[in-house]
Amino acid sequence: AQSVAQPEDQVNVAEGNPLTVKCTYSVSGNPYLFWYVQYPNRGLQFLLKYITGDNLVKGSYGFEAEFNKSQTSFHLKKPSALVSDSALYFCAVRPPDSNYQLIWGAGTKLIIKP
Amino acid sequence: DGGITQSPKYLFRKEGQNVTLSCEQNLNHDAMYWYRQDPGQGLRLIYYSQIVNDFQKGDIAEGYSVSREKKESFPLTVTSAQKNPTAFYLCASSRGAFAGELFFGEGSRLTVL
Repeated sequence: AQSVAQPEDQVNVAEGNPLTVKCTYSVSGNPYLFWYVQYPNRGLQFLLKYITGDNLVKGSYGFEAEFNKSQTSFHLKKPSALVSDSALYFCAVRPPDSNYQLIWGAGTKLIIKP
Repeated sequence: DGGITQSPKYLFRKEGQNVTLSCEQNLNHDAMYWYRQDPGQGLRLIYYSQIVNDFQKGDIAEGYSVSREKKESFPLTVTSAQKNPTAFYLCASSRGAFAGELFFGEGSRLTVL
């Protein structure tokens, strides 16, 4: 079965330190990969996507993600964390044979401490 | 400003009642979606619609119904047949050929009393 894993329920980082939120997937072929962020009691906001090309993708709010095909991973990164980055982060994958379906990870709660 | 409007933001329902959640978009997007979010789980697709007067079941359509009479509107009805309806419901839209960038509404939180 196709799946997306976010192995950490919660990640704690001190403000100013680099952060990484992990995502691995089990999908055949060459999927599209996405990161979304959700603030409490709000809808999700698109951060970035990988379709093809450079393995390092830059997105909104200073976030970037690194695609690693051999490890089937798409980790979200930021060089210097802000307290305002504290939120719930979701990884999602669109299988290559699907137009409208996304497979979602369970989410990782990111807490940035001052 | 363009966006997606969901209403109501909070809704309480007695068991056995049907409720309808509203979703309106002014982004001129062709595709619209309804997702359910439960704590500690990823989003699960309830229904999606690619064009007006057409919609398809997602992974958890049982106990839900939708309509798409206008491009801008995609209401979701949670029927009494839905056994566990308490959840956070999210409506989203995307440009016609789905490339993955979804635009979400602010969500509707349904609580069954």
